[in-house]
Formats: sequence, C-alpha cells, structure tokens
Amino acid sequence: SQKIEQNSEALNIQEGKTATLTCNYTNYSPAYLQWYRQDPGRGPVFLLLIRENEKEKRKERLKVTFDTTLKQSLFHITASQPADSATYLCALGYNNNDMRFGAGTRLTVKP
Amino acid sequence: NAGVMQNPRHLVRRRGQEARLRCSPMKGHSHVYWYRQLPEEGLKFMVYLQKENIIDESGMPKERFSAEFPKEGPSILRIQQVVRGDSAAYFCASSPGQGGLNGYTFGSGTRLTVV
Repeated sequence: SQKIEQNSEALNIQEGKTATLTCNYTNYSPAYLQWYRQDPGRGPVFLLLIRENEKEKRKERLKVTFDTTLKQSLFHITASQPADSATYLCALGYNNNDMRFGAGTRLTVKP
Repeated sequence: NAGVMQNPRHLVRRRGQEARLRCSPMKGHSHVYWYRQLPEEGLKFMVYLQKENIIDESGMPKERFSAEFPKEGPSILRIQQVVRGDSAAYFCASSPGQGGLNGYTFGSGTRLTVV
C-alpha cells in the first residue's frame, strides 16, 4: 500500500542550529513533492515545491532535496529561530492528480 | 485577494443532524480539494472538484458524505446524520490549475464537533 512517513512526530532543536526533517514514501512515483508549514488552528501554508528531476531547491533559509532512488525528501531550515516552530508537512503530487500528505513533524526551536 | 474562505470556523452538531461546510476558493482558482484532519494526524484527502464536476472522490466515505462545486457559489461538503467519529477539522484548498504545481492555498478550516 502507499505510505508517506515523516520522521519522528516531534523534533526539538536549539535556536541557530539547522533543523532537518525527513519524508519517506513507498509505492509512489510522484512527479513532485511539496512542503507546507502548519500552525495550530490554521490551515497549511505552502513553502516549497521540488520536481522529480530536481535534486535540490532553496528559498532563503529553507532547502529541500529530493532523491527518487531513495524515495526520500529532506527539508532543512538553517539558522533556525523560535518563530520557525510549527508542524511541517510533506505532500506528494502527480501531474494530473491531487496531493497526498504525510502526518507531519512538529518542530520546536528553543531560544 | 481574500484567499480561501471557509465557513463556519466552528460548527457543533448533535448526532443525527446534518453538517454543511462551505468553501470559497481564491479568485481565479477553479480547482477545489477537501481534506480532513484528526488531532495529531495528517491531512486525509477526501475529494477533488472542479466547477460542476467531481474529479476524484476516492477519499470520501461512500455513505453520508457528499460534495459539490456548483457553477455559481461556494463548494459545499455535506455530512448527513453525523456521528461522533465525524468530529475533525475539515480543510479546503484551491489551486489555479490541475494538480499542485503552484502549491495549494488552504483555508483556515472548519472545526466540526459532534455532541
């Protein structure tokens, strides 16, 4: 069956460190992968998209990698800040279809 | 640009009643997606609609649940004869084209509580 797994439910790091979140999938061949941020009581907010033929994407302090051989995406936040504390969701998509989401990783950045 | 508007934000229904959740997509977006989220769980896909068409309803329970996106007006997710297990946050998202190549824009959700 198809599965999307995000590493540990919760990740705690110190301010200024790099946070690394993992998204693994099985029995999928996505055309692209997205990362979203969700704050409590709010809807997810789109952050980054990476296509299957791209290895890496960057946006300010965010970096995403996509390894279709390992079936894995890594999401990095460098120089993390307490304001980065939130739940981060990965989502897999196809060109003509809807998105499927992982359960999310709750990141806490401590000052 | 008001973004994706969902209403109501909170909805309380007694068991057996009907729940109607509304979603107005972003201006210019003709694709609407509904997701359900239980506490501490991820978003579960329910249904994908375009104007007047259901494209994919594979995630929606066959009984009691229905969705529509009429030519005029918001998309409606309807749950008949609600049960306690329907209590969840229901999120609507929209996109300008097919798939998520531009990212989805989500609303703030409707929190349904069945008592």
